[in-house]
Amino acid sequence: EVQLLESGGDLVQPGGSLRLSCAASGFTLSNYAMSWVRQAPGKGLQWVSGISGSGDNTFSADSVRGRFTISRDNSKNILYLQMNSLRADDTAVYYCAKELSGSYPATDTFDIWGQGTMVTVSS
Amino acid sequence: QPVLTQSSSASASLGSSVKLTCTLSSVHSTYIIAWHQQQPGKAPRYLMKVESSGRYNKGSGVPDRFSGSSSGADRYLTISNLQSEDEADYYCETWDSNSQVFGGGTKLTVL
Repeated sequence: EVQLLESGGDLVQPGGSLRLSCAASGFTLSNYAMSWVRQAPGKGLQWVSGISGSGDNTFSADSVRGRFTISRDNSKNILYLQMNSLRADDTAVYYCAKELSGSYPATDTFDIWGQGTMVTVSS
Repeated sequence: QPVLTQSSSASASLGSSVKLTCTLSSVHSTYIIAWHQQQPGKAPRYLMKVESSGRYNKGSGVPDRFSGSSSGADRYLTISNLQSEDEADYYCETWDSNSQVFGGGTKLTVL
């Protein structure tokens, strides 16, 4: 069964850091681009960052560029999101998502979603 | 970057049909979009992709009651024979220039 399982969400103070992980199973991670998508409480979905199958190409939304870094370890089948300089408006459920086809990010939709992990930024 | 516009809410009766709309910004009117369903308290679920031609491709396990269509810059999701479990938020999504874009979502209430 194709599955994504996020972990690492926590309560963190403004200005702090956190690393999220997404463990993939049931498919060859390196064959697909992956992304992180977040959802603030009571709000809609917002794409955060995407990465190519090889990890050579990454893209991020303006709101997180320079603060968040997406990476992957294909040998371990894990996707990461390193979040630095966290702000209150980063509070959200963070989902990892697999692109339907292709290894280059932002060339297709998402066909598999994880269950999400909650990040709360508050003092 | 494309902009996707959705009505914030919709409602329809159990057993009836409903058609949700996602409108692309005019310069992006030929783009493919996808529909995702998010039931209360759950993660999103991929439903289908809809092309400008009206052709659509559904994800695995999506019931036949769900279909897609298109007209100009509008992309539609039609749900027939509404069931209580169809009460959810529905998001359209597209991709371009190294980013992915979501519409604001439509909250569907099944009466």
